[in-house]
Amino acid sequence: GQNIDQPTEMTATEGAIVQINCTYQTSGFNGLFWYQQHAGEAPTFLSYNVLDGLEEKGRFSSFLSRSKGYSYLLLKELQMKDSASYLCAVRDGKKDDKIIFGKGTRLHILP
Amino acid sequence: GAVVSQHPSWVICKSGTSVKIECRSLDFQATTMFWYRQFPKQSLMLMATSNEGSKATYEQGVEKDKFLINHASLTLSTLTVTSAHPEDSSFYICSARGFVASGGGEQFFGPGTRLTVL
Repeated sequence: GQNIDQPTEMTATEGAIVQINCTYQTSGFNGLFWYQQHAGEAPTFLSYNVLDGLEEKGRFSSFLSRSKGYSYLLLKELQMKDSASYLCAVRDGKKDDKIIFGKGTRLHILP
Repeated sequence: GAVVSQHPSWVICKSGTSVKIECRSLDFQATTMFWYRQFPKQSLMLMATSNEGSKATYEQGVEKDKFLINHASLTLSTLTVTSAHPEDSSFYICSARGFVASGGGEQFFGPGTRLTVL
């Protein structure tokens, strides 16, 4: 089966940097996604990693280590609008490439 | 990225009635569509996977007779919640995936449908 773990909640200050960790266990890893979700809205795509290493996209970066079953999402220069839930999700190549979501991390940004 | 739409965006219905939610891929052909459900302050839970022209595959614990899924064309899938009850009130989100050979088989999410059952 699959198991995706990430912290339930985190708090950070506007302008700072925050790292949200995600660990996973899956039988047929075929990519890891990070999504942002504001309350009452559908998730929006942030990043995709399938190979080890760091992917940078503006203020957001995502890292993957397949051997460790570990990823993190790094948010720089935090803004109040970054207050949202961040969902780590894994695609399972042995299960019709379904994307399974972790429980999400609610990030609170303080002024 | 590709666009996926859902209709309606929100619906309120009486207990015991059925509600149909449509999911459309607007600018690509979706060979596979996924239906998720999200309760307040919880993550997205995969309900079922549907491939065009075949029966949906339901996740464990999801009643296939209650949540009817039809994927009759490459651009449309529907989820019908039959005999809805208040505990079915949730945020339903679909996502669509095109041919794996084109675009890497990325999965695109719809905007979601909020169902409230009175």
